[in-house]
Parts: sequence; C-alpha cells; structure tokens
Amino acid sequence: ILNVEQSPQSLHVQEGDSTNFTCSFPSSNFYALHWYRWETAKSPEALFVMTLNGDEKKKGRISATLNTKEGYSYLYIKGSQPEDSATYLCAFPSSMDSNYQLIWGAGTKLIIKP
Amino acid sequence: ETGVTQTPRHLVMGMTNKKSLKCEQHLGHNAMYWYKQSAKKPLELMFVYSLEERVENNSVPSRFSPECPNSSHLFLHLHTLQPEDSALYLCASSLETDPTPSTDTQYFGPGTRLTVL
Repeated sequence: ILNVEQSPQSLHVQEGDSTNFTCSFPSSNFYALHWYRWETAKSPEALFVMTLNGDEKKKGRISATLNTKEGYSYLYIKGSQPEDSATYLCAFPSSMDSNYQLIWGAGTKLIIKP
Repeated sequence: ETGVTQTPRHLVMGMTNKKSLKCEQHLGHNAMYWYKQSAKKPLELMFVYSLEERVENNSVPSRFSPECPNSSHLFLHLHTLQPEDSALYLCASSLETDPTPSTDTQYFGPGTRLTVL
C-alpha cells in the first residue's frame, strides 16, 4: 500500500522567520511529486510538480527540493508572512493503481504568528 | 480565480433526501475529478472522468452517483446518504497529458460542505 507522510502535522512560525517541512513518499517507481497550498475557505492551489531527482523549484519566497532516491521532498518558506498561513499538501501518483490516482498526504498546517 | 466553480457551497440534507452537486470548469480540460475530504483525513479520490467517460471508481458506495454530460460539467448525485458522508466534496480538473495524466496539475474548485442529518 502506497503511503505519503507529511511532517510536522502543524507548525507555528513567527512572522519573518524561515521554515521548512517534509513530504516522504515511496522511492520506487517514481513519476512525480506535487505540492499544493490550501488556504482556509479557498481552493487548493498548485505550487510545484517535481519530476527529476535533485530538482529544485522556486516561486517567490517558496522553494522545494526533491530526493527521489531516498523518497523525500522539502518545502521551504523564507521570511514567513501572515499570508503564508495555509495547509501545504503533497501528493504522489499511484502508478500501481491507475494513471489518474494521486495519493495525498494529510498536510502540514502552517500558522504564521504576527 | 481557478476556473473551476462548484455549487452549492454549503448543503444540509436529511438521509432520505436526493440532491446533486455541480461542478463546472472553464479551462478546456479533458479530465474531471470528485474528491472527498473528511475531517483530519487526506483527500480521497472518488471518481475520475476523461472525455466524459468514467475511468476511475474507487469503491464508492452506490448512494453517490456521478454524471459527466460533457467535458465542462460534472455532477455528483446524492441519494440516501448517511451522517458519516458529511464532508467537504471537491471537484478538480486537469488537462490530461498522455501517457501519465497523474503528473498533470489539478485545478480545484472551492468545494461543497455537505452535512447529512
């Protein structure tokens, strides 16, 4: 059974501080890893799709790295702002089951304290 | 604005009611999805349609019945639900690139918060 683990479950960070959190996934049969950001009362929004080992992607103050050999990805936020408060989800294609299924992590809930 | 809309945003229904959730995407995508999100649990895929044909049905009870009349619209018909079906129901769409559509970015609607009494 494929499983995607995210840690920590929740995180309180002071405004202005940098932070990071982890997504762990099966390292065999890797296709891609998705990162999404979900603000309360809004739609989940795609941040990155990562496909290559060693890949690093950046969007403003948010960046992500990927290690497919050991099965983890880090999401980094530099200089946290209140608008970064959201739940960050990662998802991993379940190639064993279908061409469409993503296995989702439970998310890391990030709260930025002013 | 994600280009995916869902109605209603909130729905309260009794166990004997019949209701429908609607999803519409304006992105020209070929694939549409229904997800369920229960409290403190990961997103669970329910159904996937590709070019109006159902391609995934993840052991969902028959009291949930999807319908995809065209590539822009997706419905979830609800009948004789149970209180444990109370959850947030999210619709998503993706462009569907061959041969691995699971690498496509999915664009989500805001969801319907369903409460079954």
